[in-house]
Amino acid sequence: QQQVKQSPQSLIVQKGGISIINCAYENTAFDYFPWYQQFPGKGPALLIAIRPDVSEKKEGRFTISFNKSAKQFSLHIMDSQPGDSATYFCAASKGDYKLSFGAGTTVTVRA
Amino acid sequence: GAGVSQTPSNKVTEKGKYVELRCDPISGHTALYWYRQSLGQGPEFLIYFQGTGAADDSGLPNDRFFAVRPEGSVSTLKIQRTERGDSAVYLCASSQQGISYNEQFFGPGTRLTVL
Repeated sequence: QQQVKQSPQSLIVQKGGISIINCAYENTAFDYFPWYQQFPGKGPALLIAIRPDVSEKKEGRFTISFNKSAKQFSLHIMDSQPGDSATYFCAASKGDYKLSFGAGTTVTVRA
Repeated sequence: GAGVSQTPSNKVTEKGKYVELRCDPISGHTALYWYRQSLGQGPEFLIYFQGTGAADDSGLPNDRFFAVRPEGSVSTLKIQRTERGDSAVYLCASSQQGISYNEQFFGPGTRLTVL
């Protein structure tokens, strides 16, 4: 069964806008929550990751918010750019080796 | 430096045939992973190697799937008696184990089509 549920399936945002992608998990043993970005024909690439001992992590225009009690985490893309158009996957693991991925969100940034 | 490479990039085969997919990890990475990505889905874990040994093969769907890493570097995923449902992109990733929460670096994948 899918251990990480991701929404929405797709979203369209105007250049300069904010993209928000949400994920929820069930396994309370998970302790590592990365987000991956994937372009067509390429493998996923790590964007940003968080551990449950912090509630927020920011790297440039990308921010992860983490709610341990709700078992939810989200990715915010600020000032979205056309180059951000890609598919984004949340993932979770216990330790860092066996990643369970969400189904992905296709983000389209309109210029 | 070079990233993870996978060959072939595309493989078309007929139902019932045997296929081998190759992964060259980043030099020095001791951990290697195989994932399968079906159309419109996230990658699904298949198997994890630490060095030459398969530390976790719980994601392999059945005994038609097998993977090896004989010298602790290159890995080969082998699929016997392929079925149409095996069609997917097979992704390989590697990481440098021994440090907590290591990034997994993914290759571009091999797109397998079973006719």
